[in-house]
Amino acid sequence: QVQLQESGPGLVKSSQTLSLTCTVSGGSISRGGYYWSWLRQSPGKGLEWIGHIYYGGDTNYNPSVKSRVSMSADASKNQLYLNLNSVTAADTAVYFCATGYRVHYFQYWGQGTLVTVSS
Amino acid sequence: QSALTQPASVSGSPGQSITISCTGTNSDVGSYNLVSWYQHHPNRPPKLIIYETNKWPLGVSNRFSGSKSGNTASLTISGLQADDEAHYYCCSYAGNNIVFFGGGTKLTVL
Repeated sequence: QVQLQESGPGLVKSSQTLSLTCTVSGGSISRGGYYWSWLRQSPGKGLEWIGHIYYGGDTNYNPSVKSRVSMSADASKNQLYLNLNSVTAADTAVYFCATGYRVHYFQYWGQGTLVTVSS
Repeated sequence: QSALTQPASVSGSPGQSITISCTGTNSDVGSYNLVSWYQHHPNRPPKLIIYETNKWPLGVSNRFSGSKSGNTASLTISGLQADDEAHYYCCSYAGNNIVFFGGGTKLTVL
């Protein structure tokens, strides 16, 4: 079974770049067939899909963050990366990485990591 | 594109059935049978309980069932149990490899 673990700074200053890593075990991110996604949940709010990367490197992003986000992957480390630039307090959230066989559902999730944007 | 619309809260007694609605548009829920539902307990990752509108992932109880009519998808939980108390989120494919979530519904088991 695929397992995911998010890591990265818990505190980011406003206007700077949020960078997170998702380490995958139990399956290769380069094997194909999986969509590797980032999602978040802001305090007191619902889940928001940020975007995904497919094993060939194709990416798709939520229009709400598309101008600020980039995702990448390193198959040799079996890791996924999220970069979100020009952050504001509205980007404070628990960030999850997740995956599934199809773009439209998320079968395996990481535990999530809290990122707070400070002024 | 807006998030899908869910009721903020629902409640029910143990053993009863409840239904949570998820209303979208004819660009997402109405166009695709690709709605998924997630159960989210505090301090745990969300858990997939329904995918492709009415399919169960391996190991998920059939007390959870999904359906759709027009632009509205629904999650029904039968035989309510105390552990069902959680937030529930719907998610729909919206074309162009993009998905959107609902705002979430808090289920209280009385």
